Amino acid sequence: SAVISQKPSRDICQRGTSLTIQCQVDSQVTMMFWYRQQPGQSLTLIATANQGSEATYESGFVIDKFPISRPNLTFSTLTVSNMSPEDSSIYLCSVGDTNQPQHFGDGTRLSIL
Amino acid sequence: GESVGLHLPTLSVQEGDNSIINCAYSNSASDYFIWYKQESGKGPQFIIDIRSNMDKRQGQRVTVLLNKTVKHLSLQIAATQPGDSAVYFCAENISFTGTASKLTFGTGTRLQVTL
Repeated sequence: SAVISQKPSRDICQRGTSLTIQCQVDSQVTMMFWYRQQPGQSLTLIATANQGSEATYESGFVIDKFPISRPNLTFSTLTVSNMSPEDSSIYLCSVGDTNQPQHFGDGTRLSIL
Repeated sequence: GESVGLHLPTLSVQEGDNSIINCAYSNSASDYFIWYKQESGKGPQFIIDIRSNMDKRQGQRVTVLLNKTVKHLSLQIAATQPGDSAVYFCAENISFTGTASKLTFGTGTRLQVTL
């Protein structure tokens, strides 16, 4: 399966600032996804990152808060904008294809003070 | 330490025993199911998957059972080892022609293996 690298692995940020998380895959993939995992909880899909077009956001997530880029088939970024303590979570990148298992990076652990 | 799994239901199993982790899924249109294992500080790791045209699939030491009538999925781990201690998530997928695949994750179960 693809090797997925996320940067940074963790960060502590001040409220009101923004952080961009990078996801790099070692092979070209059709689909890339961004998830949020709040402390002690399950994973929730934020959006699907589409190469060459705007990301597709799930209910409750908006582009202004979580802008996403997908410049090519091996790379994507997620920005968490104007952060508040409620944004403290693990943010996970995954890759996959229809009816194939998604594979995940190890996530970015974000704490906002 | 990691906060994943702190508030999740916990299953305690003695080393060497078999483990059964259950999952109720929500959408009768789901046609593909996956079990993931998440260790502290790591992302979810694929264990085994099953399509809706099957009711059982076996891997190495793991078996997944699917009961579509009651929308229930289970993961059986044979001869549980300390390295199996983790949080386990089921995920369901609905295939839509021409659209991206979307996974919906269950709430998760923390498996604790005692010596």
